[in-house]
Amino acid sequence: GAVVSQHPSRVICKSGTSVKIECRSLDFQATTMFWYRQFPKQSLMLMATSNEGSKATYEQGVEKDKFLINHASLTLSTLTVTSAHPEDSSFYICSANSGGRASVYGYTFGSGTRLTVV
Amino acid sequence: GENVEQHPSTLSVQEGDSAVIKCTYSDSASNYFPWYKQELGKGPQLIIDIRSNVGEKKDQRIAVTLNKTAKHFSLHITETQPEDSAVYFCAASMAAGNKLTFGGGTRVLVKP
Repeated sequence: GAVVSQHPSRVICKSGTSVKIECRSLDFQATTMFWYRQFPKQSLMLMATSNEGSKATYEQGVEKDKFLINHASLTLSTLTVTSAHPEDSSFYICSANSGGRASVYGYTFGSGTRLTVV
Repeated sequence: GENVEQHPSTLSVQEGDSAVIKCTYSDSASNYFPWYKQELGKGPQLIIDIRSNVGEKKDQRIAVTLNKTAKHFSLHITETQPEDSAVYFCAASMAAGNKLTFGGGTRVLVKP
């Protein structure tokens, strides 16, 4: 089946620094990647949608200059949290869709990244 | 935009009993409805999905029903086991490729 590898699984960073999270589709080409944020005991909230080779589309209320998304290849998308603050601490999850293979696999989620900003 | 409501928020069942989780959606254009299981500290895992041209789908102990007229869909887990304990999310999208809108989640506890 389709596999999405997300790294790192956990990261602790100091306030004011930047953190990069990577998502790779291992056995399929991800034409679309979705980035979600999940606070404890809450649902997944979509932050942005990225299509390979084009700019990401951000959901209302999500700062595009703070959460930089790059989807430069069909197998890799990155989310960079810039100038992180404690309120950015959360569980970040990516999801990939293979377009033509969506009818088979739907959406495949990464294992998530627990970000703690101290 | 789409809004998905999920109930109950918590569900405790005895091992071997059935569990039912219900979701309603607002956008009649939605036609893809997946269900995910999320264990602590992990990403969601697809357990079953249904498309709008189907009213019911079953996979072993798991079944999903869809009522497009009423705009609601339900997850049924039969013969529950302790390993079914997790948080379950329903979701909806206009196509199996567009963005998903998630319900609020149901924390299921199966007591041995």
